[in-house]
Amino acid sequence: EAQVTQNPRYLITVTGKKLTVTCSQNMNHEYMSWYRQDPGLGLRQIYYSMNVEVTDKGDVPEGYKVSRKEKRNFPLILESPSPNQTSLYFCASSSIETYEQYFGPGTRLTVT
Amino acid sequence: QQPVQSPQAVILREGEDAVINCSSSKALYSVHWYRQKHGEAPVFLMILLKGGEQKGHDKISASFNEKKQQSSLYLTASQLSYSGTYFCGTEIDSGYALNFGKGTSLLVTP
Repeated sequence: EAQVTQNPRYLITVTGKKLTVTCSQNMNHEYMSWYRQDPGLGLRQIYYSMNVEVTDKGDVPEGYKVSRKEKRNFPLILESPSPNQTSLYFCASSSIETYEQYFGPGTRLTVT
Repeated sequence: QQPVQSPQAVILREGEDAVINCSSSKALYSVHWYRQKHGEAPVFLMILLKGGEQKGHDKISASFNEKKQQSSLYLTASQLSYSGTYFCGTEIDSGYALNFGKGTSLLVTP
């Protein structure tokens, strides 16, 4: 089954404790992206990647890191999480031919 | 750079039509439309590319006015299943960041 998976789905952590949210897709998509969704603000892009070893900043990259060492994986790293990073995070992928983005199920992160 | 969507919310009776608008302050390469149901991930509806044709499927279609930097999503004869939040996403060029609007909440009632 074609899908984008994210882990963990739910995470509660404390300020300053480094964490990684994994994202993996099995569709051989070139493009992958991370978004955060907050009430009233819609979806905001954090980082995106057009292919392996190619990453670019989106609208709200501060406080986040990403890497794209393999085509299928695109982890999101929070080196020192803060409460304002409490949010719902989505990973998405698409083929650069169709542009249709497939979203993962989301990761709800709470930073206390 | 976030596109502006209007209206913010709309309530329809089943069978009525609706239009959701998306406008940008910058020239656009593409406009993407997604629908998100409560508690779920966004789902792709369609994409409109600069110089491309109006797209649509079933009773949902969209247009892209490049000169006005606007796109509109048309929902015809709405069904209960159309309820959800609709987002437009815009790119200023191919391979650039995708900026989403804040969303339009659509509720279709029996």
